[in-house]
Amino acid sequence: DAGVTQSPTHLIKTRGQQVTLRCSPKSGHDTVSWYQQALGQGPQFIFQYYEEEERQRGNFPDRFSGHQFPNYSSELNVNALLLGDSALYLCASSPQRRFMNTEAFFGQGTRLTVV
Amino acid sequence: DAKTTQPTSMDCAEGRAANLPCNHSTISGNEYVYWYRQIHSQGPQYIIHGLKNNETNEMASLIITEDRKSSTLILPHATLRDTAVYYCIVCYNTDKLIFGTGTRLQVFP
Repeated sequence: DAGVTQSPTHLIKTRGQQVTLRCSPKSGHDTVSWYQQALGQGPQFIFQYYEEEERQRGNFPDRFSGHQFPNYSSELNVNALLLGDSALYLCASSPQRRFMNTEAFFGQGTRLTVV
Repeated sequence: DAKTTQPTSMDCAEGRAANLPCNHSTISGNEYVYWYRQIHSQGPQYIIHGLKNNETNEMASLIITEDRKSSTLILPHATLRDTAVYYCIVCYNTDKLIFGTGTRLQVFP
């Protein structure tokens, strides 16, 4: 089992550009959540996808959007990049929602640098 | 906002037990206590979770007070590889984790 995989591992973009980050959940998991972690801070919840729909959203602007595919993989899109979007972006997956109180597994993250 | 309070940093000698405290005085009856750790620049790693009974697994033990207002994560024999930031999180499920600033544990030789 490969666990949660994210791509790419590192990325450099210019202000104003758009970026897409990808996540493949752990086998058997159908819920994917995205987090942003700025340097020296704890991860901040962006949003969660289940059954190809956004189910919960944190305090992030509409520039942050996502998608979940039928195979449960997910994308995070950020438009009009700002310098402040530079961070480690983490994807977490968890099993079917009826199995509450099970652990979420995190990927290794994508380090995004906006210049 | 995070519903937990943790010390900013702690030190522990290699081979000794590391006891990491967490206060969660506003925890609801159906909320669990989860512990994750994050080694530098890696994704958070699940350690253990519990509701009201003490729990133990191959990584650690979790001691929850009877009133559930605080808990302690115990690493029985800390190694240098346990140096990390440890996050205590209370939640009903792990779909949306609210991280605080965590405790930076430094294990020294």
